[in-house]
Amino acid sequence: DAGVIQSPRHEVTEMGQEVTLRCKPISGHNSLFWYRQTMMRGLELLIYFNNNVPIDDSGMPEDRFSAKMPNASFSTLKIQPSEPRDSAVYFCASTPLGHTNEKLFFGSGTQLSVL
Amino acid sequence: DAKTTQPPSMDCAEGRAANLPCNHSTISGNEYVYWYRQIHSQGPQYIIHGLKNNETNEMASLIITEDRKSSTLILPHATLRDTAVYYCIVRVPGSARQLTFGSGTQLTVLP
Repeated sequence: DAGVIQSPRHEVTEMGQEVTLRCKPISGHNSLFWYRQTMMRGLELLIYFNNNVPIDDSGMPEDRFSAKMPNASFSTLKIQPSEPRDSAVYFCASTPLGHTNEKLFFGSGTQLSVL
Repeated sequence: DAKTTQPPSMDCAEGRAANLPCNHSTISGNEYVYWYRQIHSQGPQYIIHGLKNNETNEMASLIITEDRKSSTLILPHATLRDTAVYYCIVRVPGSARQLTFGSGTQLTVLP
């Protein structure tokens, strides 16, 4: 199994531009999570999906952030417009639905820099 | 979820056992203890979890005190590749709220 795959690995963009981060969960995993990590705030849960349906998006910082999961094998996190304070590492994680949801499998993350 | 307290940093000599403590004095009866670690530039990695009995797997051992107010993660023979931030988390399995990572312990394995 290839694990959770995220792309791009690194993204550098200018303030105001749209940014799209992508995630492919492990095959057969029905729950998907987006986390953000910064030095100041540590790891924060942004949103999670069960069976492609968003369950809790209370961690999404503001309307500039949106996430979709059009099918079981793909999810996107979009920031529009991006701001320098969005600079962080964004992680995607997945786990099988019906599991306790504690044993998460994380991707390698996307390092986002907004100039 | 119960709050956890971990030392911010620890050092360990390569080849020796690394013992990482975690205090969770407000843990409730149905909350489990979970450990994750994050190696630099990688995503967090699940290590082990337990309720009240000691647990062991290929990565580590978890010792939970009888009153469950604290636990210790043991890496029996630490290597340089074990240098990472280790997170202790307590929660009820399957609850609606998801994993919340605190600040963890930075373990540095020294040659």
